[in-house]
Amino acid sequence: QSVLTQPPSASGTPGQRVTISCSGSSSNIGSNYVYWYQQLPGTAPKLLIYRNNQRPSGVPDRFSGSKSGTSASLAISGLRSEDEADYYCAAWDDSLSGHVFGTGTKVTVL
Amino acid sequence: EVQLVESGGGLVQPGRSLRLSCAASGFTFDDYAMHWVRQAPGKGLEWVSGISWNSGSIGYADSVKGRFTISRDNAKNSLYLQMNSLRAEDTALYYCAKTGSSWYSDDAFDIWGQGTMVTVSS
Repeated sequence: QSVLTQPPSASGTPGQRVTISCSGSSSNIGSNYVYWYQQLPGTAPKLLIYRNNQRPSGVPDRFSGSKSGTSASLAISGLRSEDEADYYCAAWDDSLSGHVFGTGTKVTVL
Repeated sequence: EVQLVESGGGLVQPGRSLRLSCAASGFTFDDYAMHWVRQAPGKGLEWVSGISWNSGSIGYADSVKGRFTISRDNAKNSLYLQMNSLRAEDTALYYCAKTGSSWYSDDAFDIWGQGTMVTVSS
């Protein structure tokens, strides 16, 4: 059962900026880091953003993360066809003493 | 090359057991905490369980607590998930994932395997 809430879908044309929201609570996003994962069709998830806004080596700077209070967001600027994927936010939850994932957002490039 | 390879999935009847394995290579396995994450067909990601580098800290999702047991063998660079009393709702692709730290705590899953499919059906 997902504890973090994301919009089911988002879309944009090539070159546009798309933003995905992730809503949680004081026990997860409000007091811990937020992570973002990208899952291309038929593949395993890949770490996209860690510690709210840090990019692993190799992730383009078109991807950026931010956090405010109990919400977070992922922005994709300069949208490209290869960005078409499912995106998940995640965080540690102090109440559950475990990780929680968002409901996932499918990004479509029109 | 850093790699995680899961195995042990298959078709199993409700109420039966299955043991998943995850073989790690390309990094010092006993330096890192490890986790299992699953994804039901057409659904989102669900964290299942995690274990610290020395097996001293372990956690489970409420949905599997009391039925699943995570373990690791650092000498064999392997992670395991013993799944008992399986239910139809346990049907999913099971991924093992590495974190960036030794402890069972707030950290990213920086490396993922390709997953092993578990189908629970009569």
